[in-house]
Amino acid sequence: DAGITQSPRYKITETGRQVTLMCHQTWSHSYMFWYRQDLGHGLRLIYYSAAADITDKGEVPDGYVVSRSKTENFPLTLESATRSQTSVYFCASSGTGTVGNTIYFGEGSWLTVV
Amino acid sequence: GNSVTQMEGPVTLSEEAFLTINCTYTATGYPSLFWYVQYPGEGLQLLLKATKADDKGSNKGFEATYRKETTSFHLEKGSVQVSDSAVYFCALLLSGGYNKLIFGAGTRLAVHP
Repeated sequence: DAGITQSPRYKITETGRQVTLMCHQTWSHSYMFWYRQDLGHGLRLIYYSAAADITDKGEVPDGYVVSRSKTENFPLTLESATRSQTSVYFCASSGTGTVGNTIYFGEGSWLTVV
Repeated sequence: GNSVTQMEGPVTLSEEAFLTINCTYTATGYPSLFWYVQYPGEGLQLLLKATKADDKGSNKGFEATYRKETTSFHLEKGSVQVSDSAVYFCALLLSGGYNKLIFGAGTRLAVHP
């Protein structure tokens, strides 16, 4: 089915471990995003990408790494997980153009760092 | 800077009550405005949007009007249902800004029978 999928949906990891959250979209959208959702903060942008091999920092990038070697994939890596990175992570994508363009979200990845 | 402010929740209503969730924004330029809805355990879904001043977005009985003079985009519904219980996010999209959405903190709505 077409859409945007995230994996894993649920993950528990230990402090200091590396974790990668995967995101795949089938629309060939140019733009992809990673947000984290925390109570009281809404959604905050971690990293975004305008196209393959083009990535840039968002509002809260520290402790995260992204790559985009293919248009359809945008993995997010926590190089050394910390408890403050316990959160729900949402991947999103949108097509080109900016005025009124709709951004579509995946179902989220619930990450707990113990 | 650019930001979105929503009324704090939770908002608790009885079925068939009138709903208003306030949203105001601060932005340079002329943003597009959105309401997203998040049902329990799910991702965000676009509810409605407006791209310029005085536009009215509507969907599933929800409406919001882009008011440039008051920098607001309040969400309304005339008669809520239990199935409308969710978290609602107001967001803005800056023109020429790599399609980055800026979100409010979200407002939880609970509708009781």
